[in-house]
Amino acid sequence: NAGVTQTPKFQVLKTGQSMTLQCAQDMNHNSMYWYRQDPGMGLRLIYYSASEGTTDKGEVPNGYNVSRLNKREFSLRLESAAPSQTSVYFCASSEDSNEQFFGPGTRLTVL
Amino acid sequence: GDSVTQMEGPVTLSEEAFLTINCTYTATGYPSLFWYVQYPGEGLQLLLKATKADDKGSNKGFEATYRKETTSFHLEKGSVQVSDSAVYFCALLSGDSSYKLIFGSGTRLLVRP
Repeated sequence: NAGVTQTPKFQVLKTGQSMTLQCAQDMNHNSMYWYRQDPGMGLRLIYYSASEGTTDKGEVPNGYNVSRLNKREFSLRLESAAPSQTSVYFCASSEDSNEQFFGPGTRLTVL
Repeated sequence: GDSVTQMEGPVTLSEEAFLTINCTYTATGYPSLFWYVQYPGEGLQLLLKATKADDKGSNKGFEATYRKETTSFHLEKGSVQVSDSAVYFCALLSGDSSYKLIFGSGTRLLVRP
C-alpha cells in the first residue's frame, strides 16, 4: 500500500496563477483532509471531506476550493495564488475517529 | 472553541537525557488526544494516542498520560537519542462528527550526541 500520495512535491507559482494539488489514498478511508503548515503555527485545516460527495470548510478556507472526485481522491485548487499562500500543504485521510494518515506534503512558493 | 497549547521550542538535549514536552488542551467533552512526530522533510506520523481519561499512550519509549483534571497530555521519554530529533505535535480530535484534528504549534526537539 502506498498510503497517502501527493503531487507535486514542489511548486513555484507567480501571483495570480492557478494550480491544483492532487491527493490520493489507497486505504479505503471515508474522510480526507487538507492542511497547511506554516512556521510556528502548527497545521491548520483548510477543507475536509467526511465522505465521498461531501466537503466542508475548515479553519482557513479562503482562497481555496476542493473536489472529492471519488473515495480515493481529494484535490485542492488555488484559483488565483497569492504570496500568503506560500506554505507546505499536507493531505490526510482517516477512517472516522481513528488515526489520520498524512501524505509527504507539497511545498508551494508563490512569488 | 477547542484548542491545544504546547511549550515553545526548540528543545535542545544531550543524548540519553530525559525529555518532557508539555501539552495542555481546551475542549468540550472528552476528546481523544494524540502526539504526532514529523521528521525532517516528511509528513506527520502518529506517535501515540489516548482516548479517555487516565489512559497512557506509549510507543518507541515515549509515553503520555491523559490527565482530565489538569487538561494535559505531556510527552515524556526517559532517554532520548539523536534519531529522536524531530518536530512533535500535540493534537486533539474534535468531538463533533467531522473527526477534525486540532493541532498545537509544534515543538522542535534537537538531540546532540
